Amino acid sequence: EADIYQTPRYLVIGTGKKITLECSQTMGHDKMYWYQQDPGMELHLIHYSYGVNSTEKGDLSSESTVSRIRTEHFPLTLESARPSHTSQYLCASSDLFGSAEAFFGQGTRLTVV
Amino acid sequence: AQSVTQLDSQVPVFEEAPVELRCNYSSSVSVYLFWYVQYPNQGLQLLLKYLSGSTLVESINGFEAEFNKSQTSFHLRKPSVHISDTAEYFCAVSAPTGSARQLTFGSGTQLTVLP
Repeated sequence: EADIYQTPRYLVIGTGKKITLECSQTMGHDKMYWYQQDPGMELHLIHYSYGVNSTEKGDLSSESTVSRIRTEHFPLTLESARPSHTSQYLCASSDLFGSAEAFFGQGTRLTVV
Repeated sequence: AQSVTQLDSQVPVFEEAPVELRCNYSSSVSVYLFWYVQYPNQGLQLLLKYLSGSTLVESINGFEAEFNKSQTSFHLRKPSVHISDTAEYFCAVSAPTGSARQLTFGSGTQLTVLP
């Protein structure tokens, strides 16, 4: 079944640690996104990609980085986690030339202590 | 650049009452319109979408939305809500940007259904 997966679902980690949030999709979508969302708040686009070897910064400045080596995989990395990074991170994907309907993963709730 | 405005950040309503969540967009070109729902600690799920054809679209759980081009609106309605409809609802607009389309989300409306 075509889907989009995020791991881990929940992560509690200490300040200064390096973390990678994983996102994979099996729908063959070219475009992928990372959004940051505080509880009950709006979505903020932090990174997106048009395809392999393409990465762009979104509307909200973020200290995280992303890579797109394979079409299906779009991991997000924080080199040194801080309490201000505590948030929910949502990954999504869509067709590049279709309706742009986005399909979302379940999210990763990150807590930095 | 397109923008999406959800006029109400929070909408409390009693169970079995009707509800309307408002959404207006700014794009003047050909748009596709979406409503997504988000339950606590979950990602967003597509509720319904307008791509073309009938301006009234429906979801499987009783929600409907009407595309009004002259008002640039896509309000979401349900005639009788249930406790299980409590969630955050996001309106989104897809509009052409160059050869592709860009998706823009509104800030969300928290619907709380009270017993």
